[in-house]
Amino acid sequence: EVQLVESGGDLVQPGGSLRLSCAASGFTFRNYAINWVRQAPGKGLEWVAYIFSASSIYYAASVKGRFTISRDNAKNSVYLQMNRLRDEDTAVYYCARDLNSNSLFDYWGQGTLVTVSS
Amino acid sequence: QSVLTQPPSASGTPGQRVTISCSGSNSNIGSNTVNWYQHLPGTAPKVLIYNNNERPSGAPDRFSGSKSGTSASLAISGLQSDDEADYYCAAWDDSLKGVVFGGGTKLTVL
Repeated sequence: EVQLVESGGDLVQPGGSLRLSCAASGFTFRNYAINWVRQAPGKGLEWVAYIFSASSIYYAASVKGRFTISRDNAKNSVYLQMNRLRDEDTAVYYCARDLNSNSLFDYWGQGTLVTVSS
Repeated sequence: QSVLTQPPSASGTPGQRVTISCSGSNSNIGSNTVNWYQHLPGTAPKVLIYNNNERPSGAPDRFSGSKSGTSASLAISGLQSDDEADYYCAAWDDSLKGVVFGGGTKLTVL
């Protein structure tokens, strides 16, 4: 059974840092791209970042230069390092498996909440 | 302001047919396939339609998708109370080099 489990969400002050993790199981992890998607309170879904390999990484303009996505295929995990956090980064963050590197996310985790507030 | 434009709300009575539109541009819908997601509060989003008009196994055949030019639409026939949810279209954008979502449409079953 395919499973994605996010962790690392927390309350952090503006300007602070946080690292999210996404642990995958039930499939050949190295063969799939993984994305982070977020949903701010009362807002819609917003794509954040994509990774297939170290040379195939993309970011949304709103996080580029502040967030870094990475993966460890030996640990079946993807990470999102979030620096210089802003109030508007407050959201539930989901990781999602990418079936075709074309916005087709066939499995999602349950999400982890990041709250940026002083 | 989302790159893909959806109506913020839609509604219908049980048994009716409802359509949700998604408007984009040449760099996203015009060049790439569209996927539709259903999102219930407190749960993970679920893909309903992929590659413009294909249904994953498990998705009811009451849901269908279409695409023409730079627009796409999701149709739900035989509306049921369980269909109350938020619906999002998504596509890759060649100019932005990223995935773009619509703003979401909240479907209410009256």
